[in-house]
This record gives sequence, C-alpha cells and structure tokens, in this order.
Amino acid sequence: ETGVTQSPTHLIKTRGQQVTLRCSSQSGHNTVSWYQQALGQGPQFIFQYYREEENGRGNFPPRFSGLQFPNYSSELNVNALELDDSALYLCASSPVGGDTIYFGEGSWLTVV
Amino acid sequence: EDQVTQSPEALRLQEGESSSLNCSYTVSGLRGLFWYRQDPGKGPEFLFTLYSAGEEKEKERLKATLTKKESFLHITAPKPEDSATYLCAVQAWTGGSEKLVFGKGTKLTVNP
Repeated sequence: ETGVTQSPTHLIKTRGQQVTLRCSSQSGHNTVSWYQQALGQGPQFIFQYYREEENGRGNFPPRFSGLQFPNYSSELNVNALELDDSALYLCASSPVGGDTIYFGEGSWLTVV
Repeated sequence: EDQVTQSPEALRLQEGESSSLNCSYTVSGLRGLFWYRQDPGKGPEFLFTLYSAGEEKEKERLKATLTKKESFLHITAPKPEDSATYLCAVQAWTGGSEKLVFGKGTKLTVNP
C-alpha cells in the first residue's frame, strides 16, 4: 500500500477534448510529480509540484498543466488532446528529503 | 543529457535459475538510483534506493548493487511470482526539482 490514490483508473476521450486526472498523496508527502508512460516505455517526467507551486517541468507542451492543493492532493490537466497522449499517467509522491518515491496505480487514458 | 539504459530488454528464466539485470546510466550529479517492479497495468512498486558506489541492498530474493556507472539487480532462485517488468531510474536535479529518469525496463518471465 503506497498511500497514493489516483482517479479515474480508466477513461476514453476524443481528440481535441480536455481531461483532468486526480491524485491524493500520502500524508506528510508535500512533493508530487506526474509521469507519462507510453506502452513499452519507461515513465517520462511531466512536472513536479512543491508547496502548491510548479518547480520543474519535463519536455511537455503547455497544454499539460497541473495544480497542487493545500492538502497536497494534485491534478493533471491536459487540453486539446492528441492521439499520442494515450498512455498511463502516474502520480508519485515523496516527503521532503525522503529517499522513497511512491507511485499510484495510474490512470489509463485512451484518446480516440 | 541524463540517460538510463537497461539490459536485457527481456529475460526468461526457469524457476530457481539465478541471474542479473543491468542498468547503466549517465547523469550530471547522481542523487539516487531507484529500482521498481511493475506488474502489467499497474503503477511501479518501490524496491530500493542506492546512493553511492559500493552500496548494496537486499529484499527477499533481490539484491541491488551500485557502481559509478551502473547498477545490477541480482535475482537469486527466482519464483514465478517474480515475473514482472523491472524499472531502473536515476534521480537527477533539473530546473529546481528532482526528477526520475527511467530506463525502458527489463521484462522478466520466470517459468515454473
């Protein structure tokens, strides 16, 4: 049990639509990161939030955005969905200075 | 550029047949090397974090070791339930945040 909960687990969207994915992280974990994992690939870093502010981003366009709330839960928003956005989206949380990074079970997004 | 390469891509073993998975990396300033296990359709499950060359960690049939350029995950007398994809990641500092850079993983199948 990682204490990281993601929702929804599966969803199907149409190209051009927008999607919001949610993550509830472990108590005391004030850093949350989002990753995209395409089939057969390792997870790719999207961005990280610390104390409700984005403090690092990978090579993803601005239509990928996020939020972190005071209770350390987080959202990933993707606008103008493209077929290549189909992937498993993973949320990871860690305590400040901690040496363990826990992942949730992910949200499977299919864009048709 | 930070990079992680895992080999082999896939490995088939008989139950009880010990082997090792390799993870070679290049990173500007290693903060930590992580091993995860990922079952199909699930999020990565944390196994180990290693920080310095010469460090070793063990958990049941798994032992992880670290050198300055690579890490090994040794599997002793594996069982069918050890079948999974094993992911290696380095923790790198980028633009104000720490991100994990993953390899593509090694898919391990253990036959009874």
